[in-house]
Amino acid sequence: ETGVTQTPRHLVMGMTNKKSLKCEQHLGHNAMYWYKQSAKKPLELMFVYSLEERVENNSVPSRFSPECPNSSHLFLHLHTLQPEDSALYLCASSHMWGGPVDEQFFGPGTRLTVL
Amino acid sequence: QKEVEQNSGPLSVPEGAIASLNCTYSDRGSQSFFWYRQYSGKSPELIMFIYSNGDKEDGRFTAQLNKASQYVSLLIRDSQPSDSATYLCAVKGNFGNEKLTFGTGTRLTIIP
Repeated sequence: ETGVTQTPRHLVMGMTNKKSLKCEQHLGHNAMYWYKQSAKKPLELMFVYSLEERVENNSVPSRFSPECPNSSHLFLHLHTLQPEDSALYLCASSHMWGGPVDEQFFGPGTRLTVL
Repeated sequence: QKEVEQNSGPLSVPEGAIASLNCTYSDRGSQSFFWYRQYSGKSPELIMFIYSNGDKEDGRFTAQLNKASQYVSLLIRDSQPSDSATYLCAVKGNFGNEKLTFGTGTRLTIIP
């Protein structure tokens, strides 16, 4: 595997379910990101991890819970979601957080549908 | 006022012509500017970044930055049907606000 991978690619869940999204980067990067992409809206940054430490939490509801066990893996744990949480969830990584040139590489995304 | 503003399009350009995509931003202290291309159903991929006033060229792509006017653009020369995609402008803030802020994107269609 190369680049940034995400699983699952598609997920349908009920509002009472608990599920997790997984992201893995094979680029040796130190920063990882979760974004939400909804139709007609800009990409919204949710969380940033730098060297496995959370450095940004963009007022995201607590029903989204990130986890970064090491610099290559990032999870997004989901529970009691709402239908408006249906979106494409993108993981990205970059060499470092906070530098002037922040080339972020994106994974293919997980298309989430909440029923 | 939106932080990063783009015309949503669609922008239709004949094959072989120059496509011009524009982006304005509100934070005068922004330091770096990025153009991502996103094909339908795919994730964004970085095309170019620029952080100095002026032009930066890479193959058929030219990024232009004017910090005084808070304006960044992307020119695509000799447009090809494979350039049809949504182009996202992203702006990185200055120290203390390093996150990337994205525009909603401009959908570009190259007409054969």
